[in-house]
Amino acid sequence: AQSVTQLDSHVSVSEGTPVLLRCNYSSSYSPSLFWYVQHPNKGLQLLLKYTSAATLVKGINGFEAEFKKSETSFHLTKPSAHMSDAAEYFCVVSAPGGGADGLTFGKGTHLIIQP
Amino acid sequence: DAGVIQSPRHEVTEMGQEVTLRCKPISGHDYLFWYRQTMMRGLELLIYFNNNVPIDDSGMPEDRFSAKMPNASFSTLKIQPSEPRDSAVYFCASRTSGTGELFFGEGSRLTVL
Repeated sequence: AQSVTQLDSHVSVSEGTPVLLRCNYSSSYSPSLFWYVQHPNKGLQLLLKYTSAATLVKGINGFEAEFKKSETSFHLTKPSAHMSDAAEYFCVVSAPGGGADGLTFGKGTHLIIQP
Repeated sequence: DAGVIQSPRHEVTEMGQEVTLRCKPISGHDYLFWYRQTMMRGLELLIYFNNNVPIDDSGMPEDRFSAKMPNASFSTLKIQPSEPRDSAVYFCASRTSGTGELFFGEGSRLTVL
């Protein structure tokens, strides 16, 4: 069994300040973890993924996430927010295998960027 | 690769009409998923296929919904008859086995009047 919790439904930051989107997971396996971004009226796009290699993962658009097994966390960060980062962000945990029963989505965090 | 391709991007129809949504997954991907997204319920898995075979359709709301995958490059999601509460964005996604990430289409926005 596995689950994922995105701790904030909304996060608001000023442009140019750091972004932190929090994600905690639980899994009976060694999971793969993903962050997806969804801009308005668009599909979900992969930002980055962790698959048991380096614990600090760099993604697109300056985002990165750190896998912390001891804390069962996979928080998403960016040093400096840009207006174009305003979107919905989803944390996803995947157990080994390819089926949907191995994929669990968080409920999403809405990131608001203040000018 | 062009990615996951969905059509139509937008559909407006009247209650009682049949709606067919289409999806072309990424070539070589052996899993295909249909999701529905609404403000109220978020992202919901409707059904998924492995090697063209439906594996789990427990998320399909009711018998009005049906999905097929006649070959590895095409899938349809049909709603007949449609109802206003079916209004949502429907996403198709595909992936390979193992720990591969899910690739999403741009979605089909359905409005049932």
